[in-house]
Amino acid sequence: SAVISQKPSRDICQRGTSLTIQCQVDSQVTMMFWYRQQPGQSLTLIATANQGSEATYESGFVIDKFPISRPNLTFSTLTVSNMSPEDSSIYLCSVVIGQVRDIQYFGAGTRLSVL
Amino acid sequence: GEDVEQSLFLSVREGDSSVINCTYTDSSSTYLYWYKQEPGAGLQLLTYIFSNMDMKQDQRLTVLLNKKDKHLSLRIADTQTGDSAIYFCAESNYTGGFKTIFGAGTRLFVKA
Repeated sequence: SAVISQKPSRDICQRGTSLTIQCQVDSQVTMMFWYRQQPGQSLTLIATANQGSEATYESGFVIDKFPISRPNLTFSTLTVSNMSPEDSSIYLCSVVIGQVRDIQYFGAGTRLSVL
Repeated sequence: GEDVEQSLFLSVREGDSSVINCTYTDSSSTYLYWYKQEPGAGLQLLTYIFSNMDMKQDQRLTVLLNKKDKHLSLRIADTQTGDSAIYFCAESNYTGGFKTIFGAGTRLFVKA
C-alpha cells in the first residue's frame, strides 16, 4: 500500500479566491488522479496528473479552472481557481501502485467550503 | 458507457451479517474494489478482487464475484457499529487507459 498525505484537510474560502491542494505519496506510483466528491454524491474524476506534462482532463473540467502540476513521481497539486459556492466539495487525491497489481488508493481528502 | 449500480441504503442489527450488492456493465473489468468512507473522511480500500477470481475472504469480509452476471457482493460478518459508513463499489479497466468507475455508494446503518 501507500501513505498518501493530502493538505489542507479542510478549508473555508471566499468566493473568487483560489486554493491549492497538495498530495504527497511515500513511494513512487504509476498513476495519480484527482477526484471531486460533491455533497452526498459519488466520485467524479477531474483529471489524471501526468508527470512532467499537462494533465489529462475529463469532460466538464478545464485546465483554467483546475490547474494541476505533477513535478515528480510522488507529488502533485490541484488548484481550484476563482471559486464559487458550487465548488464546495471534497477533493481527493488518488494513486495507483503498480508494483504487482494496479491497486488504487485514496488520500483522506480536502473538504472545501466556499462562502 | 460503463456503469456501476448499488442500492443506496442497508440497515442491519449489530452482530448480524451485512451483504452489500453491486452490479456493473463493463465486461472488460480488471479489478473490482470495495471502499469504505466514514463521515468527513477519504476512501479506505477495504478489499479488491481480480476479475479472474470468484471469491476472496479477508477476516470478516467476503467478496463474491459472478462474472457471468456482472454481480459483486461484499459480506461483512458480525457487523459492528463501527462498520456504519458508506461503501463504494468500483471497477477498473484499461480500455483507453486506466479508468475506474464508482457506484453511488451504499450507506450502511448498524443498529445496536
